[in-house]
Amino acid sequence: AQKVTQAQTEISVVEKEDVTLDCVYETRDTTYYLFWYKQPPSGELVFLIRRNSFDEQNEISGRYSWNFQKSTSSFNFTITASQVVDSAVYFCALSGSKAAGNKLTFGGGTRVLVKP
Amino acid sequence: EAGVTQFPSHSVIEKGQTVTLRCDPISGHDNLYWYRRVMGKEIKFLLHFVKESKQDESGMPNNRFLAERTGGTYSTLKVQPAELEDSGVYFCASSQGFYILAGKGDTQYFGPGTRLTVL
Repeated sequence: AQKVTQAQTEISVVEKEDVTLDCVYETRDTTYYLFWYKQPPSGELVFLIRRNSFDEQNEISGRYSWNFQKSTSSFNFTITASQVVDSAVYFCALSGSKAAGNKLTFGGGTRVLVKP
Repeated sequence: EAGVTQFPSHSVIEKGQTVTLRCDPISGHDNLYWYRRVMGKEIKFLLHFVKESKQDESGMPNNRFLAERTGGTYSTLKVQPAELEDSGVYFCASSQGFYILAGKGDTQYFGPGTRLTVL
């Protein structure tokens, strides 16, 4: 069975601080995909990134960066120089190989509060 | 391009009543998914359509839930009769599906959700 754990339920920072969200996953699939979604106060889930299990290259997109470590089954997300607009709930998710189906297994989410 | 839309945004009903949720996927997306988040819990998978066929309905909690996708376009999720524990946010997502076939994974795009409250 697949499992995603986001140990941090809530993080509060002051604007311009960096914040790192932890995500640890469990799967028996040899090929799998990891995702991060953002849920702003408006409620929709906004796709941020997809990472394939065979590609461990870290990625940076503006103030966002992701650190994929297969050896520790972690896919952490860092927001650099946080802004008030980054306040949201962030979800890490996992999907398996085609044979396992494409359904997403979500972590419990981490609420990020950025104070001005 | 329009995103995934869901209707209604909120629904408040009494226990024992029937509610129907609707999802319109992104145009051209063959895959449609339903998920829900019950208060304080993780977002959980309910089922997956490929066009009009149910590919995986392993997450459907019981037979009070009925999902349909007539003609492979929009989908409805009916709860009949609703119980208190059905309260939560129901999300719909869609994906193109091409990359699934190629074994390259796929990205699901979510709608804003329907908040269901059963009193």
